[in-house]
Amino acid sequence: GAVVSQHPSRVICKSGTSVKIECRSLDFQATTMFWYRQFPKQSLMLMATSNEGSKATYEQGVEKDKFLINHASLTLSTLTVTSAHPEDSSFYICSASSPSLISNQPQHFGEGSRLTVL
Amino acid sequence: RKEVEQDPGPFNVPEGATVAFNCTYSNSASQSFFWYRQDCRKEPKLLMSVYSSGNEDGRFTAQLNRASQYISLLIRDSKLSDSATYLCVSHNAGNMLTFGGGTRLMVKP
Repeated sequence: GAVVSQHPSRVICKSGTSVKIECRSLDFQATTMFWYRQFPKQSLMLMATSNEGSKATYEQGVEKDKFLINHASLTLSTLTVTSAHPEDSSFYICSASSPSLISNQPQHFGEGSRLTVL
Repeated sequence: RKEVEQDPGPFNVPEGATVAFNCTYSNSASQSFFWYRQDCRKEPKLLMSVYSSGNEDGRFTAQLNRASQYISLLIRDSKLSDSATYLCVSHNAGNMLTFGGGTRLMVKP
């Protein structure tokens, strides 16, 4: 149980285009979803936290107008990288949590999406 | 100073060896801790929780020392398949996770 699916797993796009990444909780309702970014040989860095039906809370240094997060339902959150540039190339990972599941594991991770901006 | 710090390694060990990783944290209010394993280009996967009393899961033993704000992971009888990056993670208020930089392990035949 507690499966999180992320799509696409890999995406290559041209500089200046926008890319949308989806994160779905398949067998539970995720009240909170988290978006992380991981650059090569670095750890996961939290970008933002989103609660269903609310605006996302962004970490310091993360541009909310560039990284648009939507969490319109309890099973889906999307991250849109707008006007992508090569420096946005990274591994983007989502996670989802539910109060009923926290005692076992605080967050359940998607498979990650590798973005390459040419 | 990073909130969760780890030696990046890499630790190169032969099969069958015992290897220990350490981690320190700065937020004394952290509620709990975990070790995650991350394979190259994959998402992190929960390896085990860490308790003050110490806990063991097969070949893996984790320990938490709150007084020293120190966490450890011991792997006995290393297998080739243990090669990965091991992430020390603190669990904080608001169900937030803070990841250490990870320690890379390479087990060689």
